[in-house]
This record gives sequence, structure tokens and C-alpha cells, in this order.
Amino acid sequence: DTEVTQTPKHLVMGMTNKKSLKCEQHMGHRAMYWYKQKAKKPPELMFVYSYEKLSINESVPSRFSPECPNSSLLNLHLHALQPEDSALYLCASSHRDRGRGDTQYFGPGTRLTVL
Amino acid sequence: AQRVTQPEKLLSVFKGAPVELKCNYSYSGSPELFWYVQYSRQRLQLLLRHISRESIKGFTADLNKGETSFHLKKPFAQEEDSAMYYCALSGAGGFKTIFGAGTRLFVKA
Repeated sequence: DTEVTQTPKHLVMGMTNKKSLKCEQHMGHRAMYWYKQKAKKPPELMFVYSYEKLSINESVPSRFSPECPNSSLLNLHLHALQPEDSALYLCASSHRDRGRGDTQYFGPGTRLTVL
Repeated sequence: AQRVTQPEKLLSVFKGAPVELKCNYSYSGSPELFWYVQYSRQRLQLLLRHISRESIKGFTADLNKGETSFHLKKPFAQEEDSAMYYCALSGAGGFKTIFGAGTRLFVKA
């Protein structure tokens, strides 16, 4: 399996809802990432997990809560979101080549709409 | 600070013409440079990384440390090259990848 999968593909939620985005990879990658992408903009890094530990949080509001249950899974828990949080949420994974930057493999994304 | 600049939002060329997508970067250490591509209705994927020094789909990119550039080139553009192209930078040993704003390439028949 050489792909990153994400579920759901689309999600519509109200500002009081709690929902979760899921990401899975079986390539043996030890780093996993969440990005947010607005229309016609580049991906913006939100979180990085390395060896199942949170290593980077790019000052993301606490209404976004990441979780890495194991080396293959990455979740993003959502609560009390705002309409401006509507975007495409991308998951990615990489090998973590020691001492070097490395190629990221992206999932197809979850299109989130907050009403 | 790390920064990636892609000066062109849109580049339109005719089929068979040469194409060059520009990328300049700012980084104090030894960067790793990448080109990612996103075709219509497809996921973002790697096109090239500078350490591989390879040609993919006819595209090449050379890292010029003196000019801090990593321009993407193809001698003869094809219609199927139409896509959004992102230049990206990752620091040596770093976890972060910074993306440029992207250049949309449109190849006309």
C-alpha cells in the first residue's frame, strides 16, 4: 500500500459540533503531518508528529486537537470551529530521513465546511 | 527565516514551447528543495527533489545556491503538464516544509 488515505472526503459541521478527521498510511513512514489549504493557496502546516510524538504545533487554535494513536494513524479532532476554518485539510507522511528533509506523500484531503 | 518565492501566479505557454517556472528561496542553512505538482482532481504529489538530480516527465530543476534559485524547466511543454506547481523547501534535519504560493501552468494547444 503506497497511498495515504483520508476520511471522510467531505464534512459539513455546525459550530457546536464535534467531529474527527482520520488519516492512515501503511508505508512505514514515521512522520505524519496535518496541513490546511484554502482555495488557491499553498498548504499551511498545522501539526507534525514524529515517531508518534507531537513535534510541531504551528500555533494552531485549541479547537483543533491532533492525535496519533499509532505509527499508521493520525486523527484531527474538531470542536467549536468557526466558518473561517472551512478549508481542505491535507494529511501527509514521510520517512524522516535522518539529517535531511524528505519527500512528503499527501492524502486526497478532507473538504471541511463549517456552517 | 525560511521563505519560498514563486513570482508568477499564472504561466501560459503554447504546446511545444519551452517553459520555466521560477522559484527563489531564503534559508540560512543547507536546504532541501522540492517541486510538487497538483493536477486537476488529483492529490498533491512530488515531481522533483534537488538531491535526486533526475528528470521527471521531461522536467529538470537545478539548485543554484549563489542565486538561491531552484527553477523548474522543460524544453517542450505538453498539454498534460497543465497543473499547479509548488516549490517547497525543507531544512536539513528539519520537520517543516515551507511551500511557495504556487504557479498555475496552462499549456495551450
